[in-house]
Amino acid sequence: QQKVQQSPESLTVSEGAMASLNCTFSDGTSNNFRWYRQHSAKGLEVLVSIFSDGEKEEGRFTAHLNRANLHVSLHIREPQPSDSAVYLCAVRTDTNAYKVIFGKGTHLHVLP
Amino acid sequence: NAGVIQTPRHKVTGKGQEATLWCEPISGHSAVFWYRQTIVQGLEFLTYFRNQAPIDDSGMPKERFSAQMPNQSHSTLKIQSTQPQDSAVYLCASSLTGGNYEQYFGPGTRLTVL
Repeated sequence: QQKVQQSPESLTVSEGAMASLNCTFSDGTSNNFRWYRQHSAKGLEVLVSIFSDGEKEEGRFTAHLNRANLHVSLHIREPQPSDSAVYLCAVRTDTNAYKVIFGKGTHLHVLP
Repeated sequence: NAGVIQTPRHKVTGKGQEATLWCEPISGHSAVFWYRQTIVQGLEFLTYFRNQAPIDDSGMPKERFSAQMPNQSHSTLKIQSTQPQDSAVYLCASSLTGGNYEQYFGPGTRLTVL
């Protein structure tokens, strides 16, 4: 059973400072990773998808994947107060590829 | 494209009452998913339909919960005899088809059971 854990649970950064979020997973055959953002009372917004080791950038959001270390991270460049939200790591494997396993999220607070 | 539509956005029920949550997937999408989100458990998979057929309901509680997809334009999640522990945000998602296609999420229905 895939386990996905995110750290930290809560992160506070100042506007403009880099924010770094971490996600570890237990199934080394995982090959499909996404980071979502969830503002209060809104749906999930996909920020970046990554499928192979290395780095993937989408605007101010960069994901780093290291499958050997069972680790994927999200870095937010120049965060704004509007980036304050819950960030969710989502992992899939080839087996039952439709089934997304989510971490519990990191609450990001960006101070002006 | 209006995205995935969920109604109602908020629902309050008394303990023991029935709650029905509605989801309208994105037009043309053949796969529909239901998830439940709580502070303690996070976001958990409940069930999945493809072309209106139930494919995987492994996340559904065995009692009181049921889901249907009577046509391609809507799915319902019904909770009978609601209990306070059913309080959660219920999210619906749709994708073009199953597999590893991108899932697009609705805004969710916040269910509160008093």
